[in-house]
Amino acid sequence: SAVISQKPSRDICQRGTSLTIQCQVDSQVTMMFWYRQQPGQSLTLIATANQGSEATYESGFVIDKFPISRPNLTFSTLTVSNMSPEDSSIYLCSVEREGVSYNEQFFGPGTRLTVL
Amino acid sequence: AQSVTQLDSHVSVSEGTPVLLRCNYSSSYSPSLFWYVQHPNKGLQLLLKYTSAATLVKGINGFEAEFKKSETSFHLTKPSAHMSDAAEYFCVVTINSAGAGSYQLTFGKGTKLSVIP
Repeated sequence: SAVISQKPSRDICQRGTSLTIQCQVDSQVTMMFWYRQQPGQSLTLIATANQGSEATYESGFVIDKFPISRPNLTFSTLTVSNMSPEDSSIYLCSVEREGVSYNEQFFGPGTRLTVL
Repeated sequence: AQSVTQLDSHVSVSEGTPVLLRCNYSSSYSPSLFWYVQHPNKGLQLLLKYTSAATLVKGINGFEAEFKKSETSFHLTKPSAHMSDAAEYFCVVTINSAGAGSYQLTFGKGTKLSVIP
C-alpha cells in the first residue's frame, strides 16, 4: 500500500487568487496523478506527473491553469491558478504501485477547495 | 477506449437487507475492474478488484462482486447492509496490463448508498 498526505485538507479562496496543493507519499513512486471531483460528480483525471518530465494533461485541462511540479519521487504539487467559483472541487492525488498482474492506485484524502 | 456506467445514482436499503450496486463497463482490452468507496469527508478506499483471475471477487467489509464478461457487468453486492456502509461507491475500469495505459482509470459517476435503520 501507500500512505499519501495532502496539504491543505481544505481551503476557502477568493476569486482570482491561486492555491498550491501539496501531495506527499511515504515511499518513492514513479507515477503520480491529480484528479478533480466536482460537487456531486465523479473523479476526472487532470494530469499525470512523472518525475523528471513535464506533466501530461488530459483533454480540457491546461498547464497555465493547473501547473504541476514533481521535484522528486515522493512529492508533487498542483496549483489552481486564477481561481473562479467553478474551480470549487475536491482535488485528489494518487500514486500507482506495480503489482503482479495489475497496477493499483492509492488515493490521498483530498483537498476540498471552495472559491468565493 | 473504455467507459463505465453505474446504473443507479442513488440506492436506498434497510439495514440488514441485501445491497446491489450495478456497474456495466466497456473496454477495448481485457479490463481490470475496481470498486472504491468514499465515506463523507474521507478519502477513497479500495473495496475490491478484478484482474482476470477468479470472476467472483471478495473484498473488505463483506462486499463481493462478480465479473460477467458476457454481460459486461461488475455488480457489487453485500448480503446484509450495515449503517456504516452508507457512502458513495465508484466503479472503475482500467486496461489490464502493467504496460501501456494501465494507469488510465476511468471512474463511473458513483452510486450513493443510503442505509435506513
